[in-house]
Amino acid sequence: QVQLVQSGAEVKRPGASVRVSCTAAGYTFSNDGISWVRQAPGQGLEWVGWISGYTGNTKYAVKFQGRVTMTTDTSTNTAYMEMRSLRSDDTAVYYCARAGGEWYPHEHWGQGTLVTVSS
Amino acid sequence: SYVLTQPPSVSVAPGQTATITCGGSNIGSKSVHWYQHKPGQAPVLVVYDDTDRPSGIPEQFSGSNSGNTATLTISGVEAGDEADYYCQVWDSTSDQRVFGGGTKLTVL
Repeated sequence: QVQLVQSGAEVKRPGASVRVSCTAAGYTFSNDGISWVRQAPGQGLEWVGWISGYTGNTKYAVKFQGRVTMTTDTSTNTAYMEMRSLRSDDTAVYYCARAGGEWYPHEHWGQGTLVTVSS
Repeated sequence: SYVLTQPPSVSVAPGQTATITCGGSNIGSKSVHWYQHKPGQAPVLVVYDDTDRPSGIPEQFSGSNSGNTATLTISGVEAGDEADYYCQVWDSTSDQRVFGGGTKLTVL
């Protein structure tokens, strides 16, 4: 069955960078894309961006453009999200989700990765 | 940027029908997806493309979309349906995926 397994929790200082990974199994990784969605404490779901598993093309939410980079490694079926210049309000659970195209629904999700930004 | 508006909360007695709305400008021209999100768990897709259900999602979940409002309907609500529900669209004008603010469903 389809599985998305994310890397473990991270604690970072303000101004630092974080990279979260998402390893896919159970489907052809390069046929679909991966979205990243986050949820800050007490807040709703927020789309961060999407990357094509086939072309590597990306679409980022306007709010994160210039501060986030998404990449994939098709040899290991892994997607990565790097966020730079972290602030305390970037503290959130970050989810990856399979999405065939940038507009496709997210039927499969990773378990989530808690990123805590604190001095 | 495109905005989706959901009521913050909806309450319903067990066995009754819950209706959760998602308002957006001409949302009827877009495909709307709905997610159920429980604390400590990953979100679950319950309706996609306005009206379709993924395999494994019970028939009690249904959706509609017309004009400026999309609606998620949950019939025969059970305690296990208590969760936050989010609508989502792709806005082709801005090339952005947009989530509604979420609706907390409380089963009385």
